[in-house]
Amino acid sequence: EDQVTQSPEALRLQEGESSSLNCSYTVSGLRGLFWYRQDPGKGPEFLFTLYSAGEEKEKERLKATLTKKESFLHITAPKPEDSATYLCAVRDSNFGNEKLTFGTGTRLTIIP
Amino acid sequence: GAVVSQHPSRVICKSGTSVKIECRSLDFQATTMFWYRQFPKQSLMLMATSNEGSKATYEQGVEKDKFLINHASLTLSTLTVTSAHPEDSSFYICSARQTEAFFGQGTRLTVV
Repeated sequence: EDQVTQSPEALRLQEGESSSLNCSYTVSGLRGLFWYRQDPGKGPEFLFTLYSAGEEKEKERLKATLTKKESFLHITAPKPEDSATYLCAVRDSNFGNEKLTFGTGTRLTIIP
Repeated sequence: GAVVSQHPSRVICKSGTSVKIECRSLDFQATTMFWYRQFPKQSLMLMATSNEGSKATYEQGVEKDKFLINHASLTLSTLTVTSAHPEDSSFYICSARQTEAFFGQGTRLTVV
């Protein structure tokens, strides 16, 4: 069974204080690792897809990296508007219906 | 990114009544859509996979007679919660895949 574990559960940072969020995963065969941002009362907003170990993607202050066992979401010099819950999900190559398995998320708060 | 629209965003209903939630892909066709349920501070849990023109595939433990899914066209899937009870109160989110999986805004269902 696929498993996704995110840490920390919650993170409070001062504005401008860089940090990283972790996503550890177990799948039979990885067919994509996904990062989403979710604001309270809203659906997840797509950020990145990573497919193979060593791959990196960037968007503004966010950078996602992938190894064979985990992914990191690095946030550089965050601003208050970066406050949200960040979700990690994996797609298993053994599932023909393209099911995503989600972690419970990291609730990020950026303090002005 | 692609746009997935979900309606209504909030609904309050009396116990024993039925509620229909709509999910539309606005700028692309989706042969497959997904319905998730999310409890506070918990992960998104896949309920069912909605297939255009055929029966939905339900995850283990999800009552198919209670959560009716219809995928009548390539741009519309509906989830009907039948005979709703307070324990069905939750945040329901739909998803459709174009290049990546995009999510609707979510529906907060409260059963009183």
